[in-house]
Amino acid sequence: DGGITQSPKYLFRKEGQNVTLSCEQNLNHDAMYWYRQDPGQGLRLIYYSQIVNDFQKGDIAEGYSVSREKKESFPLTVTSAQKNPTAFYLCASRNKQTGVDQPQHFGDGTRLSIL
Amino acid sequence: EDQVTQSPEALRLQEGESSSLNCSYTVSGLRGLFWYRQDPGKGPEFLFTLYSAGEEKEKERLKATLTKKESFLHITAPKPEDSATYLCAVQPAGYSTLTFGKGTMLLVSP
Repeated sequence: DGGITQSPKYLFRKEGQNVTLSCEQNLNHDAMYWYRQDPGQGLRLIYYSQIVNDFQKGDIAEGYSVSREKKESFPLTVTSAQKNPTAFYLCASRNKQTGVDQPQHFGDGTRLSIL
Repeated sequence: EDQVTQSPEALRLQEGESSSLNCSYTVSGLRGLFWYRQDPGKGPEFLFTLYSAGEEKEKERLKATLTKKESFLHITAPKPEDSATYLCAVQPAGYSTLTFGKGTMLLVSP
């Protein structure tokens, strides 16, 4: 079945460590997005990419980095500069090829915690 | 600045007790308004897209409506399996990103 796969489901980070969250989609979607969700908060946009080898900062990009080397993959690195990384991270993708704006579809998230 | 406010924050209903969730928005030109359902520990699941005032969409016990300032998600005769957090998001004209509200947590008791 087509969909968005995020891994791992749970991740623990030590102080000063960078960690990378994986997001893979087989929907042939052009656009991909990373969000952070904190308890009682809405989803906040970290980075997004509308085409391979190009990406833009969202509202809370500081302490995060991304790459988009392949259409199917959009990994997110949480760097040691992100001082409060504990959150639920969601990846989404969207089909841009049709004329009507299509909805974003989400993976099932990665929960990141500090050791 | 684009803003989305959802109310109430939490809602508890008895099975069969109909109600509505509200999503008020401020945006400089609306491209689309999206409703999602999110179960605990899962990613949001897409429900509806609304594009213009007066538009309505239905799916099973859910009906979404849109005005120029707000959207309502009406739940008719809810069942316990409708328990979830419902998220509203807006896409401003000229942008490909969404601004999300904080959600309404719905609990339907048998």
